[in-house]
Amino acid sequence: DGGITQSPKYLFRKEGQNVTLSCEQNLNHDAMYWYRQDPGQGLRLIYYSQIVNDFQKGDIAEGYSVSREKKESFPLTVTSAQKNPTAFYLCASSRQGAASGNTIYFGEGSWLTVV
Amino acid sequence: QKEVEQDPGPLSVPEGAIVSLNCTYSNSAFQYFMWYRQYSRKGPELLMYTYSSGNKEDGRFTAQVDKSSKYISLFIRDSQPSDSATYLCAMSVTTGNQFYFGTGTSLTVIP
Repeated sequence: DGGITQSPKYLFRKEGQNVTLSCEQNLNHDAMYWYRQDPGQGLRLIYYSQIVNDFQKGDIAEGYSVSREKKESFPLTVTSAQKNPTAFYLCASSRQGAASGNTIYFGEGSWLTVV
Repeated sequence: QKEVEQDPGPLSVPEGAIVSLNCTYSNSAFQYFMWYRQYSRKGPELLMYTYSSGNKEDGRFTAQVDKSSKYISLFIRDSQPSDSATYLCAMSVTTGNQFYFGTGTSLTVIP
């Protein structure tokens, strides 16, 4: 089945640790996105990538890093510099980005908790 | 002012009721409008997609866009307990790189 796979579903991080969230899509989409969702705040864009080997910061990129070495993969690293990382993280993809009426599709999300 | 405003609710209705969910927006360049349903602890799933103004119907769901008022709606007829979820509106422009989301409305349909 075509779709977006995020792993792990649940992740616990100790203070001072970096963790990486995986996102893989087999939809052959060019654009990929990472969002953070907190209660009452909706979706906030962390990073997005329109094409392989290129990505742009979103509204809340501080403390996060990404890579886009392959079209189907867009991993997100939550670094120790992110002061409040406990949240629900959503990976998404779109055929050619937001332009020209493309829709966006989401993975099932990853829950990150700092312990 | 946020570009997309959505009443967070919560909204609680009896089974069988007609539900109206709404978003307003400030950017007149928005051309494409989407509604997503998100169950608890799951990713959002695309429900409806409309371009420019007008209505679109799919089963019990109707999406309505009024560009002159910068207002979009999602109607759910004969609501079911399985419709209990958070509903997110989303929008985009023709030439942009990003999608713009409302904060979501929490809906509970009581059996």
